[in-house]
Amino acid sequence: SQTIHQWPATLVQPVGSPLSLECTVEGTSNPNLYWYRQAAGRGLQLLFYSVGIGQISSEVPQNLSASRPQDRQFILSSKKLLLSDSGFYLCASYGTAYGYTFGSGTRLTVV
Amino acid sequence: QKEVEQDPGPLSVPEGAIVSLNCTYSNSAFQYFMWYRQYSRKGPELLMYTYSSGNKEDGRFTAQVDKSSKYISLFIRDSQPSDSATYLCAAGAYKLSFGAGTTVTVRA
Repeated sequence: SQTIHQWPATLVQPVGSPLSLECTVEGTSNPNLYWYRQAAGRGLQLLFYSVGIGQISSEVPQNLSASRPQDRQFILSSKKLLLSDSGFYLCASYGTAYGYTFGSGTRLTVV
Repeated sequence: QKEVEQDPGPLSVPEGAIVSLNCTYSNSAFQYFMWYRQYSRKGPELLMYTYSSGNKEDGRFTAQVDKSSKYISLFIRDSQPSDSATYLCAAGAYKLSFGAGTTVTVRA
């Protein structure tokens, strides 16, 4: 089975600081990878998805960017965080054998 | 219009009751239908995964998909306090759209 590692679990960052969240996948190759954000009391909003190394699609205009430097590594970044970037960030992987699987998430608070 | 709409809840039921959760979706191209359970401060975990219309049963959980009406349902039989969580429906093809989630509380 495949496993998604996501870190850190919790992060408190000041407004204007940079951000880097990393997600790695084990147990599969060439997965589709996704970054979702879940605001308090809301569903999951798709931010970025990637079907391969260096291939990034953005779903919503925002202050964030994503990169996929390796097949099983997906990174979410920001140069300058805004208060509105606070939320619960989830990395997910999709493969035909197992469907969609989520990481344990990073709770980001921008102060 | 959101691609996936979910009954907002919250829902509170006594232990042993049947829990019924519903969603509708708007995109007829959606092929995959899923239900996730999410405990507080955790990532969602996959409960049920279906690819077509019909019923799928797994223990106390039954998922129904009706593609003709674009309707997704999850039933939990003999509900337990440990079933208390937020349940998210999702539908899509190569990417998923999620409902907003329904928080369920099963009272002992």
